[in-house]
Amino acid sequence: AQKVTQAQTEISVVEKEDVTLDCVYETRDTTYYLFWYKQPPSGELVFLIRRNSFDEQNEISGRYSWNFQKSTSSFNFTITASQVVDSAVYFCALSAPFSGGYNKLIFGAGTRLAVHP
Amino acid sequence: EAGVTQFPSHSVIEKGQTVTLRCDPISGHDNLYWYRRVMGKEIKFLLHFVKESKQDESGMPNNRFLAERTGGTYSTLKVQPAELEDSGVYFCASSQDGEYYGYTFGSGTRLTVV
Repeated sequence: AQKVTQAQTEISVVEKEDVTLDCVYETRDTTYYLFWYKQPPSGELVFLIRRNSFDEQNEISGRYSWNFQKSTSSFNFTITASQVVDSAVYFCALSAPFSGGYNKLIFGAGTRLAVHP
Repeated sequence: EAGVTQFPSHSVIEKGQTVTLRCDPISGHDNLYWYRRVMGKEIKFLLHFVKESKQDESGMPNNRFLAERTGGTYSTLKVQPAELEDSGVYFCASSQDGEYYGYTFGSGTRLTVV
């Protein structure tokens, strides 16, 4: 079965704290893609990153970083020195051939992050 | 370029009524998708159009839901008759090519059935 689990429903931090959002996935496929999306209060889903299963290098983009570990089927997302503008719901997602093809995204339930001043 | 546009942004209807959601994809995008998030749970795939044809409608919950895509341009998702459990946020997305690469989502339509 294909599944994405985001165990943290809500996280609350104070500005400038670092925060890590967890994502664990299940898939039978050896080739697959993992994603993170951000949903700010305005509602749209904003693409943050796509990572394929053959690329286990960690990625850093400004204050954002992603840690992909195939051994533990995890694709965690860290925000360093969080800011109020980071407050949003964050979704992890998976696409893979056996889950209906690369066109179909399987999402986790999302983690609501609240960053307080 | 304009993004994916969805309207209405919010809709409140009574159980048993009909509601039609509309999605205008990015111009030139052949692939159009519908997803929905119900009651704070995960976002789930509903269906995928390639131009005007339904490529995959495996996620449509039941026959109260009807999706169309006229002339391969905009798409509508009709719920008739609406039930309480249909409440949620309905997202539309579009992409240019067949494989995922550049999926752009709209802001969603929040549907509340009372």
